[in-house]
Amino acid sequence: SYVLTQPPSVSVAPGETARITCGGNNIVSRSVHWYQQKPGQAPILIIYYDTKRTSGIPERFSGSSSGDTATLTVTRVAAGDEADYYCQVWDTSSDHPVVFGGGTTLTVL
Amino acid sequence: DVHLVESGGGLIQPGGSLRLSCAASGLTVTSHYMTWVRQAPGKRLEWVSVIYTGGATYYTASVKGRFTISRDTSKNTLDLQMNRLGPEDTAVYYCAGGPNVLYFDHWGQGLLVTVSS
Repeated sequence: SYVLTQPPSVSVAPGETARITCGGNNIVSRSVHWYQQKPGQAPILIIYYDTKRTSGIPERFSGSSSGDTATLTVTRVAAGDEADYYCQVWDTSSDHPVVFGGGTTLTVL
Repeated sequence: DVHLVESGGGLIQPGGSLRLSCAASGLTVTSHYMTWVRQAPGKRLEWVSVIYTGGATYYTASVKGRFTISRDTSKNTLDLQMNRLGPEDTAVYYCAGGPNVLYFDHWGQGLLVTVSS
């Protein structure tokens, strides 16, 4: 089945830009979706179809995809952005169609 | 507004069975792709099962043959029958739904299932 690889953690100072990657074989050919999960809360969808922001998500959050890597970019990072971030794709060719990345913890220093 | 509310969790002994239910409002479970995702304590999200609008079902390997996902159209609920539970099934279970096959834009608050003697 398809595998998505994320770095376990990313740390940035407040006001800086965080980039969270999601690696997968020719991921550019798939739609990538991103979820944010804050401690003790359910995940929420923040980016879908690679680049589209869910209603209410600040423009500071953006997504992109190229080659084997999709990237979630958070500009002007604030303390409230501390969370786990997961990428997800749909693998229609297997019997394990929903694939999550391992998640990345964003820490604001 | 869409709301998904899980119920049926709790403490269960190894080898036991439990049925989770996810009551949906503002969303019809048969017209959405519905899924269960779990998260063991301190661990990452793990996809468990999905049911397509057409009724096709899929499971992650570790639960195949033990868990059954289904929908109750009269109650507009998504259910997960879990049998032969083991400690490795201990997790918070989330139900989620999406308008198409690709992503899930509505999530429940999660429900703790603890498998322990």
